[in-house]
Amino acid sequence: EAGVAQSPRYKIIEKRQSVAFWCNPISGHATLYWYQQILGQGPKLLIQFQNNGVVDDSQLPKDRFSAERLKGVDSTLKIQPAKLEDSAVYLCASSLARGTGAQETQYFGPGTRLLVL
Amino acid sequence: AQSVTQPDIHITVSEGASLELRCNYSYGATPYLFWYVQSPGQGLQLLLKYFSGDTLVQGIKGFEAEFKRSQSSFNLRKPSVHWSDAAEYFCAVAPRGGGNKLTFGTGTQLKVEL
Repeated sequence: EAGVAQSPRYKIIEKRQSVAFWCNPISGHATLYWYQQILGQGPKLLIQFQNNGVVDDSQLPKDRFSAERLKGVDSTLKIQPAKLEDSAVYLCASSLARGTGAQETQYFGPGTRLLVL
Repeated sequence: AQSVTQPDIHITVSEGASLELRCNYSYGATPYLFWYVQSPGQGLQLLLKYFSGDTLVQGIKGFEAEFKRSQSSFNLRKPSVHWSDAAEYFCAVAPRGGGNKLTFGTGTQLKVEL
């Protein structure tokens, strides 16, 4: 079974530029998550999708971050304009979402490492 | 507010020695509990999880964890560490019935000396 795919793996940009990250979840997984992991910290949930709808975006800095999952499969996370403090690893995860309300295992991709100069 | 504390930022052990990584949580009710491992350049891999029942949980790669309600702890253990266990370990919690949202600790970096 293929895992969660993310691209690019690394990105270096100047502050105030824009950047986009792509995620392809495990086939059949309805729930998709984007996390931000700043150096020395644990991952922090930015946004959670159930199919193409947003379940939780309470920690997404909406003035500069946006995310979409138009067809309920792939997802894109965008930062515009980037700030120095956005330097982090951006992790995508997916889970099956059987709709039972039970806790489900999240499977993580390798992440995209972003450096903002 | 809910929180997860991993008090040890770095731990160094010799290969073959035993390992215990600490995790304490602060939550209104006992949450679901997890341990993940992250190797350099890799995503997070689930080691084990506790939902209910037996408080000693077995996971992959020879790891186990014990849930202690009285101490709000979920410590990770391994009887004999291998050099390949060097990685960063994260404890995480999720609220029961709370939509699958994970809250992670700050992680413990494990170094294994040969």
